[in-house]
Amino acid sequence: SAVISQKPSRDICQRGTSLTIQCQVDSQVTMMFWYRQQPGQSLTLIATANQGSEATYESGFVIDKFPISRPNLTFSTLTVSNMSPEDSSIYLCSVSRGDEAFFGQGTRLTVV
Amino acid sequence: QKEVEQDPGPLSVPEGAIVSLNCTYSNSAFQYFMWYRQYSRKGPELLMYTYSSGNKEDGRFTAQVDKSSKYISLFIRDSQPSDSATYLCAMSGGSYIPTFGRGTSLIVHP
Repeated sequence: SAVISQKPSRDICQRGTSLTIQCQVDSQVTMMFWYRQQPGQSLTLIATANQGSEATYESGFVIDKFPISRPNLTFSTLTVSNMSPEDSSIYLCSVSRGDEAFFGQGTRLTVV
Repeated sequence: QKEVEQDPGPLSVPEGAIVSLNCTYSNSAFQYFMWYRQYSRKGPELLMYTYSSGNKEDGRFTAQVDKSSKYISLFIRDSQPSDSATYLCAMSGGSYIPTFGRGTSLIVHP
């Protein structure tokens, strides 16, 4: 398994501002993943973050809106930039061990 | 058609009932099948993981995979109020990035 610490657990932000979400893993991992979970919807992969290279973004997500950092093998951040109410969602950090995915507790973001 | 279909519910059952949660999928490349449980305001936690067709049992939980029908199920025996959560199915073809269903909300009332 993997222990993933994610913070903040929740935040209420003003539109037009940015929020950075941090993810810390208890052991080194090659790939870290960022997901979005909107109410009643499945988890949507935003990007895959590898240490030492730029993140790989899924269709519909761009680096300017969701910049990601991966400074080492146990840590990553996701920034939600220039937020609008449509960005209100739960954001989840994830790592894989073999074919099993493990998740942080999530960041519940509300944009007002 | 979505790759993974899962009825969002909610599914409401009395305590002690047998619960059946299901997903269908369309991608024949999926080989690994998982069930996650997500409590309110928490991240998903891995509940069951299976690779092949057939049944896998773990305590009160049984995961069933029918690759020929592209259908997976999770059975919960003797359901408890503490089982109330959202259950997400997930599957992958070995790419380390699962495809998730939208989750089924389960409510077990005393």
